[in-house]
Amino acid sequence: SQQGEEDPQALSIQEGENATMNCSYKTSINNLQWYRQNSGRGLVHLILIRSNEREKHSGRLRVTLDTSKKSSSLLITASRAADTASYFCAPHEGAQKLVFGQGTRLTINP
Amino acid sequence: DTAVSQTPKYLVTQMGNDKSIKCEQNLGHDTMYWYKQDSKKFLKIMFSYNNKELIINETVPNRFSPKSPDKAHLNLHINSLELGDSAVYFCASSQEGSVFRETQYFGPGTRLLVL
Repeated sequence: SQQGEEDPQALSIQEGENATMNCSYKTSINNLQWYRQNSGRGLVHLILIRSNEREKHSGRLRVTLDTSKKSSSLLITASRAADTASYFCAPHEGAQKLVFGQGTRLTINP
Repeated sequence: DTAVSQTPKYLVTQMGNDKSIKCEQNLGHDTMYWYKQDSKKFLKIMFSYNNKELIINETVPNRFSPKSPDKAHLNLHINSLELGDSAVYFCASSQEGSVFRETQYFGPGTRLLVL
């Protein structure tokens, strides 16, 4: 199994701005998942994009996947203070194990 | 209603002690996991059980022993606790055979501090 690597490690923006986080991985995948972790809480599944999809939307979230570059991005539009959290990507090869990286720590400033 | 619950939420103990963390899920899932998150926020899988059978066992010291009395419960027992065991331990579950099987649902975590 492989680990996704999120970039940047930390991101601080003003409320209302868009936040973009990136994820890179090394080998072929079945899907890639994004999770959010609020401080002191467990991970919450945000969105899953399959290897044959290029873009997916869920509310203010937009995820892209470029399998040729082995990368994904998570865009949060019109950010809110409640979006402050760590965001993890998890490339999934089909086995039941998910391997998480260190995450991107997103801070939304009021 | 709580989907994946863990007890205790906090656990402070001395080196050398034995402790257990309990996990229960009411989602009807058949697969459960234990993860360890260290101080640098890396989240690493330790074990996975499917219908009470061990299917993933990462390189974890044998001081850690998972036990699944039924598919809704996966407990983690740790013997002879060491300072390096201090971390946040997360339980998770998913449903094998479902289109959503890749999605995992996490508990709130158990913060273990070994003194």
